[in-house]
Formats: sequence, C-alpha cells, structure tokens
Amino acid sequence: NAGVTQTPKFQVLKTGQSMTLQCAQDMNHEYMSWYRQDPGMGLRLIHYSVGAGITDQGEVPNGYNVSRSTTEDFPLRLLSAAPSQTSVYFCASSPRGRHQPQHFGDGTRLSIL
Amino acid sequence: GQNIDQPTEMTATEGAIVQINCTYQTSGFNGLFWYQQHAGEAPTFLSYNVLDGLEEKGRFSSFLSRSKGYSYLLLKELQMKDSASYLCASYNFNKFYFGSGTKLNVKP
Repeated sequence: NAGVTQTPKFQVLKTGQSMTLQCAQDMNHEYMSWYRQDPGMGLRLIHYSVGAGITDQGEVPNGYNVSRSTTEDFPLRLLSAAPSQTSVYFCASSPRGRHQPQHFGDGTRLSIL
Repeated sequence: GQNIDQPTEMTATEGAIVQINCTYQTSGFNGLFWYQQHAGEAPTFLSYNVLDGLEEKGRFSSFLSRSKGYSYLLLKELQMKDSASYLCASYNFNKFYFGSGTKLNVKP
C-alpha cells in the first residue's frame, strides 16, 4: 500500500528559485492538505483542498500556490524561495468528513540557502 | 488561527501512567485528534474524540470536554518506545489546527 507519497524527500534551493513539491495518494481521499513543521512550532497549515478543483488557504499561505486537478495529486509550488521557507513539509490526506483522521506522507526536507 | 495549547515537554518512568493535556478554541469545533510523532518521522494517528467522554484504545485513552475546550491523552504502562512527540489537533471550520506538540521522555 503506497498511501501518501511525497517527492522529493530532500531538496536544497537557492534564494529566488522556484520548485514544486509533489504529493500523491492512492486511497481516493477527497481531503488533502499541506503543512510545514518548524522546530518548536508544530504543524502549520499552508493550503488544503476538499476535492478536485477546490482549494483554500490555511494559516501560512504566503509564498505558496496549490492546485488540485485530480483527486490523487496535490502539488505545492514555491514561487520564489526564501530562507524563511526552510522547513519540513508534510502532505496529508483523509476521506472527507469531520471524523476522519489524516494520513501523512514521509515529508520533504527543504533547505533554502 | 486557532490556539492549541499543550505542554512542551514531559518526563515519565517506564511502566508508569502519564497524562498529556491540550486546550483548544471551541468556535467551529468538530473533533479533536491525537497523533504520535517519532523524531524524523511523519505523524501517525492515535485517537479521536468528537463527543464528551473517554475513548480507550489499548494502552492509550483520550478524553474530551467540549464545554471546557479541553482534552487529554492518557498513556498507560509506558514503554521506552513511547518516547516521542504527541500532537493535539482540533478540527475547526473545515481545517485542522495542530499544537506545538509535547515531547515525552520515557526513562528506565
């Protein structure tokens, strides 16, 4: 069972570069979300989607874009990388509904120089 | 954002019981989740509450008081492998809000 797959696992960027973090799930989950995790700050929601074609902002959306063209994929785009975006990024998915726990990918460790 | 408060760090002895508390904002509340996260790994789901009361799953139990905006995770018969961070998350207005996590150190 693949579950939630994130690529790449590690990435180093230079300030100003752009890149896309990939997230794919094979569980037919409607709800998908992106978080960043910084030391001492827990998980903070960047963007989320309740289904294909629908996205919305979370707590810290600035500097990031998302799209949801299919149920399976939810890529996160960094438009112009900044050192403040150095973090561990987690993608998660769940069936739609308030009682459903999220399943997390293994994370992408991103460093911006 | 939503303020989720939980202690930063706790230490307990192998075989003992430990309670990790969490407070959250009640506006738009629709569920409280607990996750375990070992260092360098992804969070994994432990327990969920939507109604008041206690939910028991083996050595782990979680309690919710909706009127007080309060939950706790109870870990019994602690084992060394329980050393990890425990994340409290509330589901409000279609979004998940996580606390900063409680790092639990289990000592022999």
